Amino acid sequence: DTAVSQTPKYLVTQMGNDKSIKCEQNLGHDTMYWYKQDSKKFLKIMFSYNNKELIINETVPNRFSPKSPDKAHLNLHINSLELGDSAVYFCASSQGFSGRAEDTQYFGPGTRLTVL
Amino acid sequence: TQLLEQSPQFLSIQEGENLTVYCNSSSVFSSLQWYRQEPGEGPVLLVTVVTGGEVKKLKRLTFQFGDARKDSSLHITAAQPGDTGLYLCAGGADSSYKLIFGSGTRLLVRP
Repeated sequence: DTAVSQTPKYLVTQMGNDKSIKCEQNLGHDTMYWYKQDSKKFLKIMFSYNNKELIINETVPNRFSPKSPDKAHLNLHINSLELGDSAVYFCASSQGFSGRAEDTQYFGPGTRLTVL
Repeated sequence: TQLLEQSPQFLSIQEGENLTVYCNSSSVFSSLQWYRQEPGEGPVLLVTVVTGGEVKKLKRLTFQFGDARKDSSLHITAAQPGDTGLYLCAGGADSSYKLIFGSGTRLLVRP
C-alpha cells in the first residue's frame, strides 16, 4: 500500500490555466504538507495543515490555495498558472508538526508540473 | 533565517571509494534528518539524529550530529552504484513547525 500518494504524476498545461493536485495519506497522520522543489532540487515548504487547520503558510502567491477536506487529504489548487510555477510539487505527512524526530515526514512521489 | 548548506553540491566517484557529505548551519537544531531522493521519487528518510555528538550507522552509511547541533555529516564507505541519488539534510527546531532542508548533494557512483 502506498503511504502518501499524489495525482497526477505529471501535469503539462498552458499559462493562465487553473489546475489542482491531489494528495492522500493512509498513515493516520494528523499533519500534511506541500513542498515545492525547483530545478536546482531545493525543497521548500509551502503549506502545512494539522487536523485540517492551516499552521504554516509560507510566502506563496495567493494563486496557490490549499484545501484539506479531511485529515487524510490535502489538495493544492493553482490559479492563473505562470511559467515560474513549473517545478515538482511534493506532498508529505507526519504525525505532529514539532520538527522533532518523532514527527518524521513521509513524502509522496511528487507531481511534475510544466507550464508552457 | 535558518539555512542549511550542504557540500559538496555534486560528487562523482568510482565504485568502492569512500565519501563524506557535509551539512552546516549557524543555527542550532533539535533534530537533523538525512533523506535520499532518487529520480522521479520523493525523499525517503534515512536517519534522524537528535543528540549532539550522536553517531548512527546504517550498513555502510555513518551519520554524525555535531556536538553543538549545528552541523552533520554523512560518510559512505565503499560506495556502490545503488548509492547514487540526491542526499538532503533537514533540520527541525523546537521553536518552529517546519523542517529546513539543505541545498542537497547529488552523488553519482560509477561502476
